[in-house]
Order: sequence, then structure tokens, then C-alpha cells
Amino acid sequence: ILNVEQSPQSLHVQEGDSTNFTCSFPSSNFYALHWYRWETAKSPEALFVMTLNGDEKKKGRISATLNTKEGYSYLYIKGSQPEDSATYLCAFMRKAAGNKLTFGGGTRVLVKP
Amino acid sequence: DAGITQSPRHKVTETGTPVTLRCHQTENHRYMYWYRQDPGHGLRLIHYSYGVKDTDKGEVSDGYSVSRSKTEDFLLTLESATSSQTSVYFCAIREDGNYYEQYFGPGTRLTVT
Repeated sequence: ILNVEQSPQSLHVQEGDSTNFTCSFPSSNFYALHWYRWETAKSPEALFVMTLNGDEKKKGRISATLNTKEGYSYLYIKGSQPEDSATYLCAFMRKAAGNKLTFGGGTRVLVKP
Repeated sequence: DAGITQSPRHKVTETGTPVTLRCHQTENHRYMYWYRQDPGHGLRLIHYSYGVKDTDKGEVSDGYSVSRSKTEDFLLTLESATSSQTSVYFCAIREDGNYYEQYFGPGTRLTVT
């Protein structure tokens, strides 16, 4: 069983503040790392797919970095807004297992006005 | 919108009864997945399919079976439901290319009493 860990499990952020959280994954046989955003009562939606060491992706105020050698990815939210409140999931894809994703437990973000 | 529907959306059933959940897609994608979502566990893969009649197990497949007789439909069956199978079940499809970004259906909330 692959170990994909996310920390913290939850965090509260004041509106306007920036925050970041971590996904750690096996550093061997890396193929891709996905980030998904999951709002309450909705389905997960893809944010980023990251494939190369040193990758940086950005979508609006949300960005992510990737370090495949040490097995971690950071997701950053700049100037958090209430609509950023959601659970953020990362998912690891191993080489030769490209059909399957292994998800972390998620980081639940609550942005307080 | 990846054209994914799930039915039923909610179901309450008794322990020991068989239950079948349906995932339907309209865009002819080859890969389809069934996940369950439980607090603290993110999403865990139950089974997936890579074509008609081609399926494989995920990390939590015990107690579940699947069938795919048509490209558009992927069925998940609980042969004899148990309370531990109370969960929210998500179907997903994978688009070709894009390092296998997945798109999720709306989910089915199953309660086994």
C-alpha cells in the first residue's frame, strides 16, 4: 500500500491571509502528482497535474510546487477568500501504474471572514 | 462537465441485502473508476475498468464486485451489504492524455442499517 500523507488535516485561515500545506508521497517510481479541490456536497475537481521535479503550477491565487526527489508537494493559497474553503486532496501516480491514483487523506481548509 | 451520472444518488438498505450502484458516462472514455470516501481516508479505489469486460481491483475491493458490459456503464455491486460499507461512493472517468486527470461523478450516499 502506497503512503500518501497530507498535513495538516485541517486548518483555519483568516480571510486575506495566505497559507500552505503539504502532500508527501513515495520518492521512487514517481510518475505524476495530482491536486484536487473538493467543496462540501460537490465532487472533487482537478486543480493541477504535476509531472516534473521543480514543477510549479498556478491557477488564480492557488499555486503548487513539486519535489520528486524528496517526495513532497506544497499547495499555496494567496490572500485566502471564503470561497477557497474546501478539502484539498493530493493523489500520487506511480510509474507502471498509470491507471490508478492513490489519494492522501486531504487537508480541510476553512477561511473565516 | 464530463457527462458522468450516478444512480441512485441516495440509498438506505439493510445488512445482508445486495446493492448495485450505476455509473453512466456519455463521452466514451475507456477508463472508469469506483472510489469510496470515508472521513480521514480521502478517496480509496475499489475497482476500476480499462475497457468493456476489463476490470481490476483497487486497494479496498473486498466485498465488492464490478461489471462493465458497455463502454458507458460501470456497475458496482455489494453482494451482501454490511454496515462497514456505509459510505459515499464516487465514480470517475479518466481522459486520455493530460497525465490521466480524473473527473468525478456527483456521488452516491449509501447507508447500510
